[in-house]
Amino acid sequence: GENVEQHPSTLSVQEGDSAVIKCTYSDSASNYFPWYKQELGKRPQLIIDIRSNVGEKKDQRIAVTLNKTAKHFSLHITETQPEDSAVYFCAAKIASSNTGKLIFGQGTTLQVKP
Amino acid sequence: NAGVTQTPKFQVLKTGQSMTLQCAQDMNHEYMSWYRQDPGMGLRLIHYSVGAGITDQGEVPNGYNVSRSTTEDFPLRLLSAAPSQTSVYFCASSPPDGIYGYTFGSGTRLTVV
Repeated sequence: GENVEQHPSTLSVQEGDSAVIKCTYSDSASNYFPWYKQELGKRPQLIIDIRSNVGEKKDQRIAVTLNKTAKHFSLHITETQPEDSAVYFCAAKIASSNTGKLIFGQGTTLQVKP
Repeated sequence: NAGVTQTPKFQVLKTGQSMTLQCAQDMNHEYMSWYRQDPGMGLRLIHYSVGAGITDQGEVPNGYNVSRSTTEDFPLRLLSAAPSQTSVYFCASSPPDGIYGYTFGSGTRLTVV
């Protein structure tokens, strides 16, 4: 069935360093790839997304890249700050049945050390 | 707009009890989904719906039922609660063309003892 793999499961960086989280997906028909940030005890919040007709998208300190051939996409956070500490989830929309079904990766716990 | 509203926020059930988790959205979103979140396992899709009267199973549907009688509401029913259903449950919705990310509710923390 559809599957999204996310790595690493935990990531610790020093404030100011960059962080990269990678995901792979199994269904080549997927056409939409959002990233969510979840702070402790709160709901997941959409932070950036990318569609299959775009290779890269940036929004201030965060960027997402997509390689459709390899079926993987990545989240890049530059100049990390302590408030970036959270759990990050990637997801892929399985477009083959046009149902809007969104499958998530297992999550990455990012710790930014001051 | 209230967005996606889930009730209750916390619930403790005894094994074998049944209950319904409520979810309502006021954004006229066609797509709605239920996820459960367990440590180290991310968000797993339980059931989803593309519109009133249409539902389908996700990755982990066993032990749960859903219905979608209106666009606004998408309740999740636990038929006979088991300790394995202890989790945080999130309801989410998105616009009808499905090419947008979901907006999540605040979650329901369920403990089955």
